[in-house]
Amino acid sequence: GAGVSQSPSNKVTEKGKDVELRCDPISGHTALYWYRQRLGQGLEFLIYFQGNSAPDKSGLPSDRFSAERTGESVSTLTIQRTQQEDSAVYLCASSLDVAEYNEQFFGPGTRLTVL
Amino acid sequence: KNEVEQSPQNLTAQEGEFITINCSYSVGISALHWLQQHPGGGIVSLFMLSSGKKKHGRLIATINIQEKHSSLHITASHPRDSAVYICAVSGGGADGLTFGKGTHLIIQP
Repeated sequence: GAGVSQSPSNKVTEKGKDVELRCDPISGHTALYWYRQRLGQGLEFLIYFQGNSAPDKSGLPSDRFSAERTGESVSTLTIQRTQQEDSAVYLCASSLDVAEYNEQFFGPGTRLTVL
Repeated sequence: KNEVEQSPQNLTAQEGEFITINCSYSVGISALHWLQQHPGGGIVSLFMLSSGKKKHGRLIATINIQEKHSSLHITASHPRDSAVYICAVSGGGADGLTFGKGTHLIIQP
């Protein structure tokens, strides 16, 4: 595709519900990253995929967070039993591979609001 | 863990002024990124550099690896440059990017 896309663009949910956020990376990009930006705070790294493998999940805030990726394509970030503190913009980025000198291209983000 | 510090946190300037935003980090890195975030949240990568200097239009980015410091300059600033500018680093033991808190730039006409 032309760029990284994310869906939905906005999600409002009630506390305790599960949500699923989707990211479509740029075609051919093997590396995919998830970041979070809470209101008034900086961006924080959550998890990355090389292909469909996520070598390090320690950046996920809690065990309510999980992520998966199908091949070198779509990734989903799932938050179970959402809490108000999960409210944030969730950003996805992709790059050619995980080499640290590769430019990352960001999606527009999903704004999650937990009531 | 790499600590990324940006200054200033907020900057308001008049159209046409020369703008400098600074970034320092604590641990050696593979690359430093300058990102631009407009209201509404979209993030655009401006530069990625590991040494020296890069220029794109009115934007210039420099990095001093020995001093662990980078600067982003905007020449002939314009109101459309108003955005949050974010410094981020890759490498230094981290898997993803480590971000600074951003500099909120407002250019007044």
